[in-house]
Amino acid sequence: EPEVTQTPSHQVTQMGQEVILRCVPISNHLYFYWYRQILGQKVEFLVSFYNNEISEKSEIFDDQFSVERPDGSNFTLKIRSTKLEDSAMYFCAGSLLSGRGTETQYFGPGTRLLVL
Amino acid sequence: AQSVAQPEDQVNVAEGNPLTVKCTYSVSGNPYLFWYVQYPNRGLQFLLKYITGDNLVKGSYGFEAEFNKSQTSFHLKKPSALVSDSALYFCAVRDPEAAGNKLTFGGGTRVLVKP
Repeated sequence: EPEVTQTPSHQVTQMGQEVILRCVPISNHLYFYWYRQILGQKVEFLVSFYNNEISEKSEIFDDQFSVERPDGSNFTLKIRSTKLEDSAMYFCAGSLLSGRGTETQYFGPGTRLLVL
Repeated sequence: AQSVAQPEDQVNVAEGNPLTVKCTYSVSGNPYLFWYVQYPNRGLQFLLKYITGDNLVKGSYGFEAEFNKSQTSFHLKKPSALVSDSALYFCAVRDPEAAGNKLTFGGGTRVLVKP
């Protein structure tokens, strides 16, 4: 059964550094997402991406964040200058295209980011 | 705005007993509802969803959930729990009348099944 993969599984970085989190979605998925979960808190939506454009983003997804799918397979989340409060588990997800939003989102195992 | 509440942080149940994990939601229209499970060091795994039709939805690993519109609930159930069902369970909602496909998650309920 195809799965979403994410690398790295863990990343430790210094405050102010740039990090890139990578995801390989399931091959026939067309809609992609990033969510995050701060320790002890809810899973929160960050951004959705379709047809090489951001479809929707949350208030969390400010100018420090960016997403891209440079080669048609990898889907990346970049944080330009990390802050302590960016420490969280970051989940990538994908779904088949559905104009009605009924499709299931399939999640990767997550990348645990720790900003020191 | 869409929201989800999971009123129990933890549910303890003996193996072989019925398991129920509660979820209530708030959306402006008819909801799309989802249950996911998270095992240690793993991602969120899809269990089941309600889009429309029969209020009782059957999913993976013997789980089912019942959509109750009047009570705005979507409780997850399993008739006979296994020790291996011990995990973190998340309910999520999508409001089809809202733009975009984002899911809004509840806070999660930890299930502990004791032998």
